[in-house]
Amino acid sequence: DTAVSQTPKYLVTQMGNDKSIKCEQNLGHDTMYWYKQDSKKFLKIMFSYNNKELIINETVPNRFSPKSPDKAHLNLHINSLELGDSAVYFCASSHASGLFFGSGTQLSVL
Amino acid sequence: AQRVTQPEKLLSVFKGAPVELKCNYSYSGSPELFWYVQYSRQRLQLLLRHISRESIKGFTADLNKGETSFHLKKPFAQEEDSAMYYCALWGSGNTGKLIFGQGTTLQVKP
Repeated sequence: DTAVSQTPKYLVTQMGNDKSIKCEQNLGHDTMYWYKQDSKKFLKIMFSYNNKELIINETVPNRFSPKSPDKAHLNLHINSLELGDSAVYFCASSHASGLFFGSGTQLSVL
Repeated sequence: AQRVTQPEKLLSVFKGAPVELKCNYSYSGSPELFWYVQYSRQRLQLLLRHISRESIKGFTADLNKGETSFHLKKPFAQEEDSAMYYCALWGSGNTGKLIFGQGTTLQVKP
């Protein structure tokens, strides 16, 4: 009964491929996020959705396209993967007491 | 500008020693601040938030508006405290964006 779950945990792929990461939360939160943690462990917000509506898009390349079919799901699709996309991607959902994070997806682009 | 600064990338102490992880913020208005912890290969977890003024795992943090600081403290470090610690600020407006500092790795040596 994990609160925020994302799949896959690890993703290894070749440059130029298209891949997706899925995220689901069962907390009943209205807002979900994608954060990127780079090799220096710096965490930066990418997107935020509130009840399926995009509310934050932090100058992320348009190769990244989030999709929220319902408020419990926020998926991230990445086209034409580049070496610099290698990072850990965290999904999260929010409540008044803060953000609840998924366990992360480690993406390695070769 | 809304910003969170953690000046120390690495803090190394011996078991039983006091710990202070520094965090400074830039924010106009009343900030809402958090500390998150990430143990090795695990998800980020909320450690504490300044509004609740609670102590989790022996850690406390006091908001000092005069110094714009929210330092995390523990009187006696334990080896299991070794982790990455992030200070975070809830961004203005209703977007719910959490702005993270660069993170500080705490290493507690036996």
